[in-house]
Amino acid sequence: DVKVTQSSRYLVKRTGEKVFLECVQDMDHENMFWYRQDPGLGLRLIYFSYDVKMKEKGDIPEGYSVSREKKERFSLILESASTNQTSMYLCASSLPTGWSPLHFGNGTRLTVT
Amino acid sequence: GNSVTQMEGPVTLSEEAFLTINCTYTATGYPSLFWYVQYPGEGLQLLLKATKADDKGSNKGFEATYRKETTSFHLEKGSVQVSDSAVYFCALVTGGGNKLTFGTGTQLKVEL
Repeated sequence: DVKVTQSSRYLVKRTGEKVFLECVQDMDHENMFWYRQDPGLGLRLIYFSYDVKMKEKGDIPEGYSVSREKKERFSLILESASTNQTSMYLCASSLPTGWSPLHFGNGTRLTVT
Repeated sequence: GNSVTQMEGPVTLSEEAFLTINCTYTATGYPSLFWYVQYPGEGLQLLLKATKADDKGSNKGFEATYRKETTSFHLEKGSVQVSDSAVYFCALVTGGGNKLTFGTGTQLKVEL
């Protein structure tokens, strides 16, 4: 089975801190994604990556950046955390074809105080 | 652009009841359609998919038919169980790259 592992289940950070969310997948998938999940808004795509060192903005990239130095790892960076970034963050990976299923991690619940 | 509209929840049913969760979409191009499920405390997992018009996706007793004429992909199950309690997301993708557009999710609660 594909496993997508997110490094933390819960995180609490202060406003202005730099925050790193880490995601690792073990199935050699080309595609990796970061979504945030908020009640009433569903999942919104922050960034995605088709290959090592490649990244593209999703629908809500403001306030975030990403890094993909190795194929299995995709990091989400909050340069200066703000309270409106309190959310559940979900990482996913997939093969490159459009109908291949996304495999999700269990999520990181980030609280910014 | 692409968008997915789902019925609002929560939907509360008794065990063995019939389930329908409505999903309609707008898309540029010809989409593939998906239902994902999120059990408490877990990430999302693919429940079923359909890649062309009139296709029926099915899994674990759930079904959904890709209706191009009504731009819909409603999820159905004939007899729900308590273990089906979860949040269900309808989603679509057009073109390459596997960048999905999700609906807002519908929470299902099944009671004894």
